[in-house]
Formats: sequence, structure tokens, C-alpha cells
Amino acid sequence: KAGVTQTPRYLIKTRGQQVTLSCSPISGHRSVSWYQQTPGQGLQFLFEYFSETQRNKGNFPGRFSGRQFSNSRSEMNVSTLELGDSALYLCASRQDQGNTEAFFGQGTRLTVV
Amino acid sequence: KNEVEQSPQNLTAQEGEFITINCSYSVGISALHWLQQHPGGGIVSLFMLSSGKKKHGRLIATINIQEKHSSLHITASHPRDSAVYICAVNAGGTSYGKLTFGQGTILTVHP
Repeated sequence: KAGVTQTPRYLIKTRGQQVTLSCSPISGHRSVSWYQQTPGQGLQFLFEYFSETQRNKGNFPGRFSGRQFSNSRSEMNVSTLELGDSALYLCASRQDQGNTEAFFGQGTRLTVV
Repeated sequence: KNEVEQSPQNLTAQEGEFITINCSYSVGISALHWLQQHPGGGIVSLFMLSSGKKKHGRLIATINIQEKHSSLHITASHPRDSAVYICAVNAGGTSYGKLTFGQGTILTVHP
């Protein structure tokens, strides 16, 4: 069974641009969560999607958005990039609602210059 | 004060030593996760606990719900165990996918 796939793995963008990151969950998994990891703040929750609906949102500005498609693949978008958005963005997929194990992708390392 | 606190932040050990990493949390939870992150970024889920104790190979995880405390033990540590170990909790309800993380413990095991 293929794991969680995130694309691209690395990305360099300029301040003010926008970026879209993709996450393909494990086949059969319907929940996708996104996290931001920075040296200063550690790992922080961005949002969770389940069956194409956003179920939870973390404390991030509206520039951060996401969506989930009918095949459970998810994208997150960051508009008007700031230097502080440079981070490792991780997604995790879970099979269902409830207490199930989270499987993480390798992450997308975004650098904003 | 963070909702999830780990100790120690850094840990250095010699190969073969028994290692303990601690995690305390201040919120009600439905499950606690122990994660491992190697250089390069990928995160691997080691355990998900809601009560008691779990063992996988040389790794043991315990949780005490009343005391809001969990420990991760590594027996007979090996240099390949060198990584960052992260404790994370979820509150359940409609928040199963929302994990709150500790700051991580950097473990270095010397041969």
C-alpha cells in the first residue's frame, strides 16, 4: 500500500506570491490534516478535512486555506507569501473519524525569499 | 505554559543504554501519540495510546490518564534510534485530526 505522498518536496517562492501544496493520502483514508513546522514554533495544526469538509482549523490567518477532493486528495494554498511562511508543511492521513493512527507524508519544504 | 510538555529537550546516550522520554499534558485527551522524526523531515507514528501500555520491539510506551503523563522507553538503545521524538495529543470529539504537539526531544545515541 502506498504511503502518504506530498508534492512538491521542495519549493522556493518570492514574497507576495502564492503557493499550492498537494497531499495524496493512503488509499481508503478519508481524513487529511495539515501541519506547519518551524524551528521557532515547532509543529502547529493548520486544518483538517474529512470527506471534503473542513472539520477543524488552527490559529492561522486567512491566507492559509485548503480543500479536499472527492478522492480524498487535499491541497493547501498560501496566498501573499511572507518570509515567516518558510517552513516544513506536513500532511497526515487517517482512515476514519475517531481515534485512528495518523500516517505522515515526507513534507514539503517551502522557502520564501 | 504549553499544553504538552516534554522532557528532556536533549538527550545523549551510549549504545545499549535504557532511555526514557517524558510527556505531560494539561488538557483532556482522547489519545496520545508518540512520533519519531529523522533528519529530512519525515514523521513516523510509533504509538497511539489511550490507556495502559504498548510495546513494539525495543520501544515501550505507557500512559497514566489520571496523572496526565506518558513515557516512551527505548531499551538497548542503538545509534539508529537517534532522532527527534515528539509527543502529541488529540482532544477527541470532532478534533481527532487536530494534534497538539510537544516541543520534541532530540535523542543522540553514540556507538
